[in-house]
Amino acid sequence: GAGVSQSPSNKVTEKGKDVELRCDPISGHTALYWYRQSLGQGLEFLIYFQGNSAPDKSGLPSDRFSAERTGGSVSTLTIQRTQQEDSAVYLCASSLLGGAVYVTEAFFGQGTRLTVV
Amino acid sequence: QKEVEQDPGPLSVPEGAIVSLNCTYSNSAFQYFMWYRQYSRKGPELLMYTYSSGNKEDGRFTAQVDKSSKYISLFIRDSQPSDSATYLCAMSGGYNKLIFGAGTRLAVHP
Repeated sequence: GAGVSQSPSNKVTEKGKDVELRCDPISGHTALYWYRQSLGQGLEFLIYFQGNSAPDKSGLPSDRFSAERTGGSVSTLTIQRTQQEDSAVYLCASSLLGGAVYVTEAFFGQGTRLTVV
Repeated sequence: QKEVEQDPGPLSVPEGAIVSLNCTYSNSAFQYFMWYRQYSRKGPELLMYTYSSGNKEDGRFTAQVDKSSKYISLFIRDSQPSDSATYLCAMSGGYNKLIFGAGTRLAVHP
C-alpha cells in the first residue's frame, strides 16, 4: 500500500496476556518509529529503527516492552504480561531516512488501539 | 515540567474565525518545529514544518516560531468545520525522535 499499515486496528486483551502489534512501513523507508498515545495525551516516543543500526530503545517504559524489525521492513511491537496502564493507541511511523531532518517528514499509520481489561 | 506544553482545550469557534493554537517549550536545543492534525481514530498528519525561527505560510495556515520566547503558534484563517480535529505540536533537537505536546482539540461549528 501507499501508506504505513498497522494491524490489528483494535485489540482487546486480558491483563497478563502478551500482545503483538504489527507495522508495515512505506516501501523504501529505512527509518521506523513506534509511539504511544494515551487518552488525552500527546505521543510518547518508544523506539526507533534505522537500517541495520542498533535501535534506539530509550523510550520503552519497561522490560515488558520489546520490538524487532525483520529484513529492514516489517516491525513488531510486543508487550508481555499486559497491564491496564498499557491501554493506549500505539502508532507507527516511517521516514525515508533517519536523522534530524527526515524525522520531521515521518508518515504515521492509523494506529492500534489496545485495551487491557 | 514537560518539555512541551500545550493547552488541551477544547477550543470551540464559529466557522470563519481565526484560530490561534500555541505551544511553549523548555529545551533550547529544539530546532525543528512541526504541527500535526489528527482526526478522530486516525494517525497524525503533518501540516506544517519550520526550521528554527520565523514564519511559514501555507494556504490558510501560518506557523510561527519565536525561539527567544520558546513559543510556537499555528494560525488558521477562515476556519472550516473540516478543520475540527486535534492539533499536535512536535519538536526535535536534531535527534531521531519527536517530542509532542498533548494536543489541542478544536471544534469549528457552522
